[in-house]
Amino acid sequence: GESVGLHLPTLSVQEGDNSIINCAYSNSASDYFIWYKQESGKGPQFIIDIRSNMDKRQGQRVTVLLNKTVKHLSLQIAATQPGDSAVYFCAEKLPTSGTYKYIFGTGTRLKVLA
Amino acid sequence: DVKVTQSSRYLVKRTGEKVFLECVQDMDHENMFWYRQDPGLGLRLIYFSYDVKMKEKGDIPEGYSVSREKKERFSLILESASTNQTSMYLCASSPQGRSSEAFFGQGTRLTVV
Repeated sequence: GESVGLHLPTLSVQEGDNSIINCAYSNSASDYFIWYKQESGKGPQFIIDIRSNMDKRQGQRVTVLLNKTVKHLSLQIAATQPGDSAVYFCAEKLPTSGTYKYIFGTGTRLKVLA
Repeated sequence: DVKVTQSSRYLVKRTGEKVFLECVQDMDHENMFWYRQDPGLGLRLIYFSYDVKMKEKGDIPEGYSVSREKKERFSLILESASTNQTSMYLCASSPQGRSSEAFFGQGTRLTVV
């Protein structure tokens, strides 16, 4: 998983530029890798996912890349907007005990500069 | 519209109190989860449940217990609240099967004084 600490990594991006948020994971057995967005005062919301047998998946303005060789996941946001300012979490959907559990990273704060 | 509802947005409790955090989902999901969220530590899994009366420990179950008497309701119990349990608590639910998405409630910010 990601390094644990009290400091939340922050990415500052100019409005209109592309953003890339990175995540390292540790479980090779995960079925899905997922990105969540958490705005202030709200619970995390699903953005996009990728199955473990895929390398790339595109959504509306977002792309997720999965590199299983180095256990790395990234979220690319095109033409970043002020509404994209939030904390972003990667998560793994991991089979366990006949069901699944979700393991989250420590998060990255995205700040969009006007 | 899918919904996960946590009974309180904010709670203040005293050290040693028994605290109940309630979560209800209206999506008939099999799986339900309790996380705590602390700055820089992300979301850490406390307990989860895949069926009524079934529960599994997550990564940080110490000091907590859970109850799932009905499919739609999952309760987190702090047996004797301590100041280090001051945190944001998030409940989530997900269906069994291939869908990856877990749906979250708004969170309960608990302060133990």
